[in-house]
Amino acid sequence: SAVISQKPSRDICQRGTSLTIQCQVDSQVTMMFWYRQQPGQSLTLIATANQGSEATYESGFVIDKFPISRPNLTFSTLTVSNMSPEDSSIYLCSAISGGEETQYFGPGTRLLVL
Amino acid sequence: ILNVEQSPQSLHVQEGDSTNFTCSFPSSNFYALHWYRWETAKSPEALFVMTLNGDEKKKGRISATLNTKEGYSYLYIKGSQPEDSATYLCALGNDYKLSFGAGTTVTVRA
Repeated sequence: SAVISQKPSRDICQRGTSLTIQCQVDSQVTMMFWYRQQPGQSLTLIATANQGSEATYESGFVIDKFPISRPNLTFSTLTVSNMSPEDSSIYLCSAISGGEETQYFGPGTRLLVL
Repeated sequence: ILNVEQSPQSLHVQEGDSTNFTCSFPSSNFYALHWYRWETAKSPEALFVMTLNGDEKKKGRISATLNTKEGYSYLYIKGSQPEDSATYLCALGNDYKLSFGAGTTVTVRA
């Protein structure tokens, strides 16, 4: 299994600013992902964070808005750029260890954009 | 993105009673079905991963079944306790990417 922590746990931001969320895993993992849950909506995959290369984004998400880094096998960041109130969501990081089917999640970052 | 429906959206159950709820999907074009329990301000906790039609999994008082031919999975809670209060999420997995349902929020009344 993997234990995942995220920073910050919550934040309130002004529109037009950017926020970087950090995700730390307690062991080396094969794959890392970023999800978000907008109010009243399902958890939705934003992108797969690829180690040492550009992230792979799902339809509707772009690098300019959600730049992602993954410099090593245990750490990733997601930046929410030029924020608007529609970006108010819970952002979650997840990871898979090699050979496992189970995907482990962090506790989420609760973002409110005013 | 795979279509996943969960019902009901929420339910209340008396402590000690058993309950169940449904995850349904129109297509079986997925590799695995996942169940998670998500309590407020905590990480979603993985309960089960099921891949085969007819799979049945159990963890303590919680169990789940999968019927890919008819397009549903059931999650059962036997003898509900207050600590079972949470949102239960169903997700379909393909290429390790998960498509989630909206969840069933369970509230156990003491």
